[in-house]
Amino acid sequence: DGGITQSPKYLFRKEGQNVTLSCEQNLNHDAMYWYRQDPGQGLRLIYYSQIVNDFQKGDIAEGYSVSREKKESFPLTVTSAQKNPTAFYLCASSHGNQDRVQETQYFGPGTRLLVL
Amino acid sequence: GEDVEQSLFLSVREGDSSVINCTYTDSSSTYLYWYKQEPGAGLQLLTYIFSNMDMKQDQRLTVLLNKKDKHLSLRIADTQTGDSAIYFCAESHNYGGSQGNLIFGKGTKLSVKP
Repeated sequence: DGGITQSPKYLFRKEGQNVTLSCEQNLNHDAMYWYRQDPGQGLRLIYYSQIVNDFQKGDIAEGYSVSREKKESFPLTVTSAQKNPTAFYLCASSHGNQDRVQETQYFGPGTRLLVL
Repeated sequence: GEDVEQSLFLSVREGDSSVINCTYTDSSSTYLYWYKQEPGAGLQLLTYIFSNMDMKQDQRLTVLLNKKDKHLSLRIADTQTGDSAIYFCAESHNYGGSQGNLIFGKGTKLSVKP
């Protein structure tokens, strides 16, 4: 089965702790994205990566970090600098072909992060 | 700046049609999308429309686009209880040279009453 997986489904963070959310895709997509979803706020872009070993900040990158060492993996670290991390985190991927304008994003099932 | 607006709630009776509306501001958006999110789950792509089209139909779903008014709508015919979910409108956005990035509305929560 092709798709995007995120783990864990629920994650608890203690104050001052860094935590890492996993995102893996076997769709052979070049581009990957991380969004944060808060109730009534829609989705906001944290980071995106159009190709391996390259990534760009989105609208709300402060307090987060990412890496893209492999095409299929785009982990997100929520650092202690993120003061309000409680949210639902969604990972997505798309083909990322720069010649193709239509770029449907496919989403993972999400990780809910809670602060203890 | 770019913004996508949707009403937050819609309630319909089973068997009726649902119409979810969306307005956007970026006239350079090439594609507009509708996604569905069920409770505690990720987003599922329902359909998308190219900006030079007025209408797209896919089984029970009809998308209407008024580019002049920057208005997009999603009509669900014969709405079922399984259609209860949050529906997001999104526009493609040229971010860092790529049209792959999307700007999302806040979502419309559709409640279907039996």
